[in-house]
Amino acid sequence: DTAVSQTPKYLVTQMGNDKSIKCEQNLGHDTMYWYKQDSKKFLKIMFSYNNKELIINETVPNRFSPKSPDKAHLNLHINSLELGDSAVYFCASSQHQGNSPLHFGNGTRLTVT
Amino acid sequence: AQSVTQPDIHITVSEGASLELRCNYSYGATPYLFWYVQSPGQGLQLLLKYFSGDTLVQGIKGFEAEFKRSQSSFNLRKPSVHWSDAAEYFCAVVSFGNEKLTFGTGTRLTIIP
Repeated sequence: DTAVSQTPKYLVTQMGNDKSIKCEQNLGHDTMYWYKQDSKKFLKIMFSYNNKELIINETVPNRFSPKSPDKAHLNLHINSLELGDSAVYFCASSQHQGNSPLHFGNGTRLTVT
Repeated sequence: AQSVTQPDIHITVSEGASLELRCNYSYGATPYLFWYVQSPGQGLQLLLKYFSGDTLVQGIKGFEAEFKRSQSSFNLRKPSVHWSDAAEYFCAVVSFGNEKLTFGTGTRLTIIP
């Protein structure tokens, strides 16, 4: 009955590889997000989708491509992984865009070697 | 642009003692303010939020926060901490008309017996 679930929990890969992280929410929320948390715990928004439509696209390398097949899913694909991509990536959802509180998944720890 | 400052990187408190975590925001109008908690290896969980009305808001786990417009602050308090409160605490703000939730840098709370 997990509200926001993301897989995998851990991802270890080599530089140059392509990887994907999947996220699903069963809360019926309209809006989904990807956040990146660096080694100093700083959280920065990467993308936001509202009803499958991209509404926030921060200054993120175009190696990162989100995909939302429906409003319950928001996947993140990363091409040509670099060492600096190592971080914890959090998926989140909210009922609406704006001031609705966010519900977070448990994160995916990506390590690029 | 909206921003959030959490001046304390790390706070250590004895179990049973009171707690106050500081948060200051920068935004012209009244923002929407949140406190989230992140336990090790977990995603963030909403503790409480302030949108309008009573400036003292109650949250889960016995936490409360007070919005002070004159000080641009939204400090989090708990009268008596428990060992299970050890975690990372994030203050966050979203401004009216802005879809992005901006997080502070977090305060790590350590509880000593």
